[in-house]
Amino acid sequence: DIVMTQSPLSLSVAPGEPASMSCRSSQSLVYTHGNSYVDWYLQKPGQSPQLLIYLGSYRASGVPDRFSGSGSGTDFTLKISRVEAEDVGIYYCMQALQTPVTFGRGTKVEIK
Amino acid sequence: EVQLVESGGGLIQPGGSLRLSCAVSGFTISRNYMSWVRQAPGKGLEWISILHSDGETHYAESVEGRFTISRDESTDTLSLQMNDLRAEDTAVYYCARALRGYSFILDYWGQGTLVTVSS
Repeated sequence: DIVMTQSPLSLSVAPGEPASMSCRSSQSLVYTHGNSYVDWYLQKPGQSPQLLIYLGSYRASGVPDRFSGSGSGTDFTLKISRVEAEDVGIYYCMQALQTPVTFGRGTKVEIK
Repeated sequence: EVQLVESGGGLIQPGGSLRLSCAVSGFTISRNYMSWVRQAPGKGLEWISILHSDGETHYAESVEGRFTISRDESTDTLSLQMNDLRAEDTAVYYCARALRGYSFILDYWGQGTLVTVSS
């Protein structure tokens, strides 16, 4: 199985400040047309996960442009350009290259 | 509007069976890949099963042979039949829809249903 390793485990960020988190896969997630099969999800407290970024860098419908995804191969990054209070929660990366689909353990974002 | 609503969770004894349902609206269930993902209390996300548009199914090793995913196209309902339940199956179970044309870009999720396996 592909192992997804996220860091850091938690982040405390002041409103308006940037945030960055990392996700590494145990094997390359590049597939067709150079797309990387990694998605990012945010699970807000008490809610279901929601899709933020897919194929490494594409924002899902309705996701604010302060969120961006980058990377390829085995190293991926999710950045929030200016953190807002509503961004608190746990961010998960997930590899969608092969079954079993696997998630990272998450990065918890809190507001200072 | 796309909606997914799970039901069927509850308290069940080890070795018992339970059937979860996920009623969808706003799209036709047979046209999208559908998955079940679970989350044990205080833990992360674990994918457990997928049903392709063509009916092909796949399972995580942890549930292979015990769980069965299916759909009823007449009612646009996804189901998960869970047999031989174990304490480690205790979790919130989410159904999720994949973006059309993709297997695992999970763009809509239900609210989840809690399954507790305990004597």
